[in-house]
Amino acid sequence: EDKVVQSPLSLVVHEGDTVTLNCSYEVTNFRSLLWYKQEKKAPTFLFMLTSSGIEKKSGRLSSILDKKELFSILNITATQTGDSAVYLCAAHNNAGNMLTFGGGTRLMVKP
Amino acid sequence: DAGVIQSPRHEVTEMGQEVTLRCKPISGHDYLFWYRQTMMRGLELLIYFNNNVPIDDSGMPEDRFSAKMPNASFSTLKIQPSEPRDSAVYFCASSRGLGLAGGLAKNIQYFGAGTRLSVL
Repeated sequence: EDKVVQSPLSLVVHEGDTVTLNCSYEVTNFRSLLWYKQEKKAPTFLFMLTSSGIEKKSGRLSSILDKKELFSILNITATQTGDSAVYLCAAHNNAGNMLTFGGGTRLMVKP
Repeated sequence: DAGVIQSPRHEVTEMGQEVTLRCKPISGHDYLFWYRQTMMRGLELLIYFNNNVPIDDSGMPEDRFSAKMPNASFSTLKIQPSEPRDSAVYFCASSRGLGLAGGLAKNIQYFGAGTRLSVL
């Protein structure tokens, strides 16, 4: 059974701090890993990672995948209160078109 | 594009009643997914469709749950009879396709705003 584990479960930081969120996966026939941000409503797509060692970057957010060690990290630099959300990691396998989600990391950024 | 549209946004019902949740996927997306999210279990896939055909319903918790997709622009998730433990947020998501040829970006799922269901 495919499995995705995220850590930490929750994190409280102050504005300006840098945070690193972790995601490890065990997926048969791994295809890609996706990061989503969920505020009060629907998860919104952040990144898709398919190749090891290639950093994806969007503003203050960046992510990288290690297919040998089966993990990914999401970095947020110079955090802002608007970064407060649950960050979800999901793995996609080749067997179908399903995503297996991790339990999420709840990030709170204090002013 | 308006994105994935779900209705209603909130539903409060009494145990034993029938509940129907609705979803309109993004136009041109061939895949539609129904998820349930709870604090205890996180985001769980219930069922997904490809070209209106159910492909995998192994996540559907029991016979009280059923889903249909009569056409490419509409799907329903029905719970009958509803129970308090069904209380959760139900999300619908869609994607363009199964991306290998044509790019893996087709696998990105876009979510609706969800339906918050409370069964009393």
